[in-house]
Amino acid sequence: DTGVSQDPRHKITKRGQNVTFRCDPISEHNRLYWYRQTLGQGPEFLTYFQNEAQLEKSRLLSDRFSAERPKGSFSTLEIQRTEQGDSAMYLCASATGGVASTDTQYFGPGTRLTVL
Amino acid sequence: KNQVEQSPQSLIILEGKNCTLQCNYTVSPFSNLRWYKQDTGRGPVSLTIMTFSENTKSNGRYTATLDADTKQSSLHITASQLSDSASYICVVRLNTGFQKLVFGTGTRLLVSP
Repeated sequence: DTGVSQDPRHKITKRGQNVTFRCDPISEHNRLYWYRQTLGQGPEFLTYFQNEAQLEKSRLLSDRFSAERPKGSFSTLEIQRTEQGDSAMYLCASATGGVASTDTQYFGPGTRLTVL
Repeated sequence: KNQVEQSPQSLIILEGKNCTLQCNYTVSPFSNLRWYKQDTGRGPVSLTIMTFSENTKSNGRYTATLDADTKQSSLHITASQLSDSASYICVVRLNTGFQKLVFGTGTRLLVSP
């Protein structure tokens, strides 16, 4: 257990439905990342928060995806009008400090999304 | 294009044996290289981190090497245990504003009794 929690751990939904995932980072960590991982692949970067500010978004993050970190603590990732191609593991990671290059990102257990 | 390639894709070894996993990267600007262990259905857990100037780093039975000139890294596992069965992912960090990570596709290791 890294100290990063994600909820739910598994989500099955029908195509077209909206889903929301939550990530609770390690309490003193000001940096938070979302990644998507499909079967047999490494995680791909989606978006990055420093405190409550969303500083970077990948092109993978279509307009159906939105992420928030309202108080600089927990974060939510919402997917609207889900598609079967959204089926993946969604990972959250947190880190502390500034842009020190050796700070480790601690990953949560992930939320596995299945879109039927 | 920033890429991290790993080999082999999968590997089966007998318990107690050693193995070496390979990682080649074409990532720039390079900041550091990490090896993560990912158990099935779990998030990745960091094993080692190496900066440009470090050639080797150990964490228990895991030893990572880095050759920044040839842009290659390896992860050596000594005296494998059944609990080593997992995916091992090579990750390179870009020296950019928000320190983006570029992940390899991983090597799936199965340690057989």
